[in-house]
Amino acid sequence: QSALTQPASVSGSPGQSITISCTGTSSDVGGYNYVSWYQQHPGKAPKVMIFDVSNRPSGVSNRFSGSKSGNTASLTISGLQAEDEADYYCTSYTSSSTLVFGGGTKLTVL
Amino acid sequence: QAQLVESGGGVVQPGRSLRLSCAASGFTFSNHGMHWVRQAPGKGLEWVAVIWYDGSDKYYSDSVKGRCTVSRDNSKNTLYLQMNSLRAEDTAVYYCARDRGGVRYMDVWGKGTTVTVSS
Repeated sequence: QSALTQPASVSGSPGQSITISCTGTSSDVGGYNYVSWYQQHPGKAPKVMIFDVSNRPSGVSNRFSGSKSGNTASLTISGLQAEDEADYYCTSYTSSSTLVFGGGTKLTVL
Repeated sequence: QAQLVESGGGVVQPGRSLRLSCAASGFTFSNHGMHWVRQAPGKGLEWVAVIWYDGSDKYYSDSVKGRCTVSRDNSKNTLYLQMNSLRAEDTAVYYCARDRGGVRYMDVWGKGTTVTVSS
């Protein structure tokens, strides 16, 4: 159960777009369309932003989008806003019927 | 409105045991699988365990397998995590979260309870 690989940090200016990658293996990301993304502000509980690779829960801005190619999933945030500054985590269902998280990415809005 | 409230955290010595609870309200608890997720100080999220809606199946991360047991009481709308042989590396905020779609994602989270393992 090795953690999925995410960049430690990304940054962008307001209005710009950023993409966070999440790399796993054929036993998790590549094998199932069950990748989800979570946003976590300091001291707060995580919030699901994307599920099943590219679906947005009700209430989540359409500035957030997800995709997958092979063993790598991606989260794209367009039209960056100050409130988007947070930690982002990907997670995937695995062949062991468990979940595995990525190491997390700190997004800084410059 | 769906809500989860964790309790039972505290300071415990290495090697001792602790049981966490998660009280659910605002939704039909018995219809949903439930997860435990933890976060060590300054670190990322780590998935810990999941239990099926009826308790019939349970899965654990390698880091807690054999030391932790997840259970539930659907009559009390409560989820539990029994942690034994605690280690310093178990120090974390423990969150419970509602499962959606059969271990696909977690859509409702509690605010967490803090466990500190220290002598």
